[in-house]
Amino acid sequence: GENVEQHPSTLSVQEGDSAVIKCTYSDSASNYFPWYKQELGKRPQLIIDIRSNVGEKKDQRIAVTLNKTAKHFSLHITETQPEDSAVYFCAASDSWGKLQFGAGTQVVVTP
Amino acid sequence: GAGVSQTPSNKVTEKGKYVELRCDPISGHTALYWYRQSLGQGPEFLIYFQGTGAADDSGLPNDRFFAVRPEGSVSTLKIQRTERGDSAVYLCASSRDANTEAFFGQGTRLTVV
Repeated sequence: GENVEQHPSTLSVQEGDSAVIKCTYSDSASNYFPWYKQELGKRPQLIIDIRSNVGEKKDQRIAVTLNKTAKHFSLHITETQPEDSAVYFCAASDSWGKLQFGAGTQVVVTP
Repeated sequence: GAGVSQTPSNKVTEKGKYVELRCDPISGHTALYWYRQSLGQGPEFLIYFQGTGAADDSGLPNDRFFAVRPEGSVSTLKIQRTERGDSAVYLCASSRDANTEAFFGQGTRLTVV
């Protein structure tokens, strides 16, 4: 089955700096890669996703890149703000939509 | 409804008891997923429904866990003979169809004492 690894487990950045989270996956059949943000005690919320026919996608301060050959994808947050502090999860799924999540990255943005 | 709704939000039960967790997906969403999230970990897949049928139940940990979706809308996750290790947040998600954006409910926090 699919295995997703996520690094780092914690990330502290100064407000205004960039944050990068990296994930690798094992199943070459995976074709959908969403990123979720989860605040303490809240539900996971989708912030951006990318499909395997695209190499990069950007939405304001958030971007995701995908390298299918190397089986890795990354989340980039620019100009970080305190409200970006949360746990971020990457995930991978095949055509059935079953998501395999990474272990999460706790991002702390300090003013 | 406007989003995925799960009830109850919190459930405390004694070891050995039976529990049912309910998920009401977004109207019209054919795909429904159950996940389990332990503290400090990512959601772990349990089961996936496409319509009324369980398309993939490979994540159910053992035969104490069972889920149904009889009319293709509301789903119930059933846990028999609960154990302390079953304590976790149980998340439900729905999507318009497979492999499109999945929307999560707020979860049911199950505590087995």
